[in-house]
Amino acid sequence: EADIYQTPRYLVIGTGKKITLECSQTMGHDKMYWYQQDPGMELHLIHYSYGVNSTEKGDLSSESTVSRIRTEHFPLTLESARPSHTSQYLCASSDPRGGEQFFGPGTRLTVL
Amino acid sequence: ELKVEQNPLFLSMQEGKNYTIYCNYSTTSDRLYWYRQDPGKSLESLFVLLSNGAVKQEGRLMASLDTKARLSTLHITAAVHDLSATYFCAVDRVLQGGSEKLVFGKGTKLTVNP
Repeated sequence: EADIYQTPRYLVIGTGKKITLECSQTMGHDKMYWYQQDPGMELHLIHYSYGVNSTEKGDLSSESTVSRIRTEHFPLTLESARPSHTSQYLCASSDPRGGEQFFGPGTRLTVL
Repeated sequence: ELKVEQNPLFLSMQEGKNYTIYCNYSTTSDRLYWYRQDPGKSLESLFVLLSNGAVKQEGRLMASLDTKARLSTLHITAAVHDLSATYFCAVDRVLQGGSEKLVFGKGTKLTVNP
């Protein structure tokens, strides 16, 4: 079954740690996105990719980085996590025919 | 710059009542999407509206798109508690070269009371 996966679902870590949030999709979509969302608030696009070896920064400045070495995989990395990074991170991929974005279940990150 | 405005941002209604959520956007676009988000969860796609005059219905929800007015509506009929959630509209922003991003509204938090 085609789907989009994120791991871990929940992560609590200390300040200064390096973390990688994983996102994988089995739909063969070229376009993938990372959003940051605080509880009950709007979504902010932080990174996107239109295909392998393509990455762009989104509308909200973020200290995170991304890579796209394989079509199905779009990991997000924080080199040194801080409490201000505490948020929910949502990964999405889009259908090229209609532009509709499909979202993963999200990773809820807490940095102590 | 494309801006997407939803109203109301908060909506408390009684079961059995009808109401409409509005989504206005500032520049030309033919594609609009509605999503639902339950507390602590991710976004679930509800409707994809791809042309002027498009109307989609699913259960007690009906969405429509008027591209000339740059307006989409999400109409709720005879609300039930299970519809309590936050509803987002999103509009395609087509950039030079055909690249695309979605611009989301701030969301409408709907609470349906018994």
